[in-house]
Formats: sequence, structure tokens, C-alpha cells
Amino acid sequence: AQSVTQLGSHVSVSEGALVLLRCNYSSSVPPYLFWYVQYPNQGLQLLLKYTTGATLVKGINGFEAEFKKSETSFHLTKPSAHMSDAAEYFCAVSDPGGYQKVTFGTGTKLQVIP
Amino acid sequence: SAVISQKPSRDICQRGTSLTIQCQVDSQVTMMFWYRQQPGQSLTLIATANQGSEATYESGFVIDKFPISRPNLTFSTLTVSNMSPEDSSIYLCSVVSVNTEAFFGQGTRLTVV
Repeated sequence: AQSVTQLGSHVSVSEGALVLLRCNYSSSVPPYLFWYVQYPNQGLQLLLKYTTGATLVKGINGFEAEFKKSETSFHLTKPSAHMSDAAEYFCAVSDPGGYQKVTFGTGTKLQVIP
Repeated sequence: SAVISQKPSRDICQRGTSLTIQCQVDSQVTMMFWYRQQPGQSLTLIATANQGSEATYESGFVIDKFPISRPNLTFSTLTVSNMSPEDSSIYLCSVVSVNTEAFFGQGTRLTVV
């Protein structure tokens, strides 16, 4: 079964500082990995995804993540935090191939301090 | 992309009653997924709804409590039966595209009193 673990339920950064949200996965097959963002009282939005190919993937709003098989990690980064980045971020995993169910991590709430 | 409409968007229900949530997708999809997001928590998959067959439930979820219908390739319903305050959650319908992206409805915010 696929699963993801997000380290840190709450992360605080100063505006302009590096954002690093950690995600480790467990999978018996090469997984597909995702980061979703949820702004307060809004639905989920896909930030980025890794399926195959280049291990460094770039997403919307300046975020990127790197798939590291040796570390079973898919950490999310952004060089410079903006106030509008304050939200909850979910790492997620699925089996390879289309139409598969997606399993979510417990989420990390990002606070950006002015 | 897929556009998913859920109804109702929110409801307040008495304990012991049932609520049926509807999910309509703007394109035909083989599988639809139902999730629950309890307050302050992540999304937990309840079940996968397949057209023409019984839904597949995840561990901890049973058909008697969460019956699902899937009458065609664009529509599904989830019923939350015999509700208790612990069922207060956001319930989300989802589909996954061929390129693996999951799309979500805006959710149904359920409060059981």
C-alpha cells in the first residue's frame, strides 16, 4: 500500500525566507507523487506532480520539488516565501498509471510571518 | 480538466438522520472517489465508486454507513447514514484524469447536531 509522511504539521517562515516542506513516501512500486495546496475555506489545487522523467519538477507559484528515490523523499521548496503562500500543503501518492486513487499525507500548515 | 459539482455545499443535520450528497462531473469517468476531511485533518479516502459494480471501501468504512450509488459515468451519490456528531466533516468527490491529476469538488460541509 502507498503512504506518505509529512514531517511537521506546522511550519513558520519569515516573508522572503526559504520554504521547505518535507514529505517521505512508502511504496512497493515506483509511485506518482503530488503536492496539493488548500487555502482557507477553499478546495484543493494541484501544485505539482512527479510521474516519470526529470526528478526536479516545477509547479505553480514558484514551488518545486525533487524526487529522490534513494531517500524516498519528495520535499517541496520555494526560494522566497510570500504572504500569499500561507495555506495548508498536502503531499500525496498514487500507484503509477492514470485513474488511480490518491492517498494523502496529514498536511503541513504553512505560516508566513511578515 | 474536469469540473465537479457537489450538492449540497453544506448542511446541518440531526443525529440519527441520513444525508445524500450528489456529485456530477462534466465528462465521463470510469472511477469516482469519495473522501472525508475531518476538521483540521487531511483527506481520507472512503471508497472508490465504479460504474456498474459495487463500490470498493477502504479500511474503516462500510457500505451500511456510507452507501454509494453510481448509476452512470458522470454521476455518483454518497449517503451518510444514521449520523452522529463524529460524522461532521467535509465530504469531497474526486476524479483522476488520464494524466494522473486529481480534481475535486468544492465539498459538502456537514455538521451533525
